[in-house]
Amino acid sequence: KAGVTQTPRYLIKTRGQQVTLSCSPISGHRSVSWYQQTPGQGLQFLFEYFSETQRNKGNFPGRFSGRQFSNSRSEMNVSTLELGDSALYLCASSLVGRNTGELFFGEGSRLTVL
Amino acid sequence: GESVGLHLPTLSVQEGDNSIINCAYSNSASDYFIWYKQESGKGPQFIIDIRSNMDKRQGQRVTVLLNKTVKHLSLQIAATQPGDSAVYFCAERGTGGFKTIFGAGTRLFVKA
Repeated sequence: KAGVTQTPRYLIKTRGQQVTLSCSPISGHRSVSWYQQTPGQGLQFLFEYFSETQRNKGNFPGRFSGRQFSNSRSEMNVSTLELGDSALYLCASSLVGRNTGELFFGEGSRLTVL
Repeated sequence: GESVGLHLPTLSVQEGDNSIINCAYSNSASDYFIWYKQESGKGPQFIIDIRSNMDKRQGQRVTVLLNKTVKHLSLQIAATQPGDSAVYFCAERGTGGFKTIFGAGTRLFVKA
């Protein structure tokens, strides 16, 4: 079974631009979560989607948004990029209803903002 | 707010020794506490979890202990191997499963 796939793996943008990152969860997983990972702040929760609905959101400005499609694939968008948005963005999928806390992570999209 | 913190940022152990990584949490309402391992260039990988109504769970070479009285979580790795070198994160999943909060991470170095 294929794992969580994130695209693109690496990208470079300049301040003020916007970026869209994509995540394909493991087949059958309907919950998708996004995290921002930086050396100084660790893994910060961005948002979680299930059945195309955002169920929870972290403490990030409105420039960070996301969505989930009917096939459970998800995208996140960051508008008006700032230098501080440089980070590894991780997507994780999970099965809902299972008796486990396990998230399955992709390898991330590394964003550099110049 | 909710937070999961780690006591030590770096841990160095000799190959073959046991490792203990500690974590403090603040949200008593979490239903699962989880440990993840992250190797360089990869996403975090699930190691083991423990439900909030348990105090100990064992896996292959790993044991997780949960002390709800002092809000403390630990990961014990038996016979630590060079392949165990990585950053270890503790995490807690809120009731309902919508949100998992991660701690800052502990880097484990295994000396040969």
